[in-house]
Amino acid sequence: AQTVTQSQPEMSVQEAETVTLSCTYDTSESDYYLFWYKQPPSRQMILVIRQEAYKQQNATENRFSVNFQKAAKSFSLKISDSQLGDAAMYFCAYRSAMNNNAGNMLTFGGGTRLMVKP
Amino acid sequence: GAGVSQSPSNKVTEKGKDVELRCDPISGHTALYWYRQSLGQGLEFLIYFQGNSAPDKSGLPSDRFSAERTGGSVSTLTIQRTQQEDSAVYLCASSWAQDSPLHFGNGTRLTVT
Repeated sequence: AQTVTQSQPEMSVQEAETVTLSCTYDTSESDYYLFWYKQPPSRQMILVIRQEAYKQQNATENRFSVNFQKAAKSFSLKISDSQLGDAAMYFCAYRSAMNNNAGNMLTFGGGTRLMVKP
Repeated sequence: GAGVSQSPSNKVTEKGKDVELRCDPISGHTALYWYRQSLGQGLEFLIYFQGNSAPDKSGLPSDRFSAERTGGSVSTLTIQRTQQEDSAVYLCASSWAQDSPLHFGNGTRLTVT
């Protein structure tokens, strides 16, 4: 079974600064997807960024980028020019690329609470 | 367009009562998921529906939990004889297909007293 670990329960960043959230995962599969989701107080999970394991190039979405290290099974999220609206819970998630029951579900880490100081 | 809608937003129930949680997915989305999020925890997979296929129930924690999806659209998660450990936020998500991004609702916060 796959596991996802986020070792930082809480992180804090000054507005306009850069912060990196850590995520590691364990899998025996070679093809899979990795995600970062943001959960504000509204509870709705919002997809921030997605990475396909077969792609060597790190995904980027505006101020958000990842550092995907497949051999190390590491998938960190970097937020540049942090804004007050970035304050939320952030979850790392894994999904198998296999087209069966294992590919149906996302496996989530425990989350990191990001606080942004003005 | 409308997103994933869940009702009620909050539910307080007494231990031993049955509850029903509703999810209205985005129109046209064939895949529907239920997740549970306990306080301060990540999300735990419960059940997955894809079109007319038999649902993947592998995440349901006990036989007190069941879910239906009528007409390939609205889904209801039922918890019978609720226990205090059932207290959590129940999140529903839908997607166009199995490998498409998930769109989540705002969840139902269930409190069992």
